[in-house]
Amino acid sequence: DAGITQSPRHKVTETGTPVTLRCHQTENHRYMYWYRQDPGHGLRLIHYSYGVKDTDKGEVSDGYSVSRSKTEDFLLTLESATSSQTSVYFCAISESIGSWLDTQYFGPGTRLTVL
Amino acid sequence: GESVGLHLPTLSVQEGDNSIINCAYSNSASDYFIWYKQESGKGPQFIIDIRSNMDKRQGQRVTVLLNKTVKHLSLQIAATQPGDSAVYFCAEKAQGAQKLVFGQGTRLTINP
Repeated sequence: DAGITQSPRHKVTETGTPVTLRCHQTENHRYMYWYRQDPGHGLRLIHYSYGVKDTDKGEVSDGYSVSRSKTEDFLLTLESATSSQTSVYFCAISESIGSWLDTQYFGPGTRLTVL
Repeated sequence: GESVGLHLPTLSVQEGDNSIINCAYSNSASDYFIWYKQESGKGPQFIIDIRSNMDKRQGQRVTVLLNKTVKHLSLQIAATQPGDSAVYFCAEKAQGAQKLVFGQGTRLTINP
């Protein structure tokens, strides 16, 4: 998984509770991404980061926030989890934009269930 | 556990045959394309990529073909093996864009 770890790998939580997912990379890549994957929707971008403290929204960012205080860590927070946020969450990294090195490599995923 | 769509298009092939998986894209400004393989319970795995200035690129047992005229991408897998069973999906990116756009995927099953 290209030097990417995600934690936790599985989590069950209750509606209204805060949840933080962590993505850690050992590749020193500049770009990091959070996606969710749901049946019938494929992979959808939640947020991404193009450097430490530099983040931007994706197509399904409502209800999610992110932070990147170090190159190697990208955190995804659900401030108040809802059942619609039950999903599999994937982190991805890429080295640069506009070159052969901008392939995105994915982590193993976190399965989140909100009851 | 299953982590991809339950009603994806499915391609069934005999072990040892060649597989061809197709992908149509809509953005004529897309200039970079990637094929990913996703096994059950795992993250997407990079297989091969291609730029729009090429129409064919080969890897180990895989070939990607790009037809920009009809905005079509295909992945050919030679001598399909049981380990090739997975969901395959393409992704495209426009020049300068920071986001990939992913297709829904095709489930490849191998018959012994």
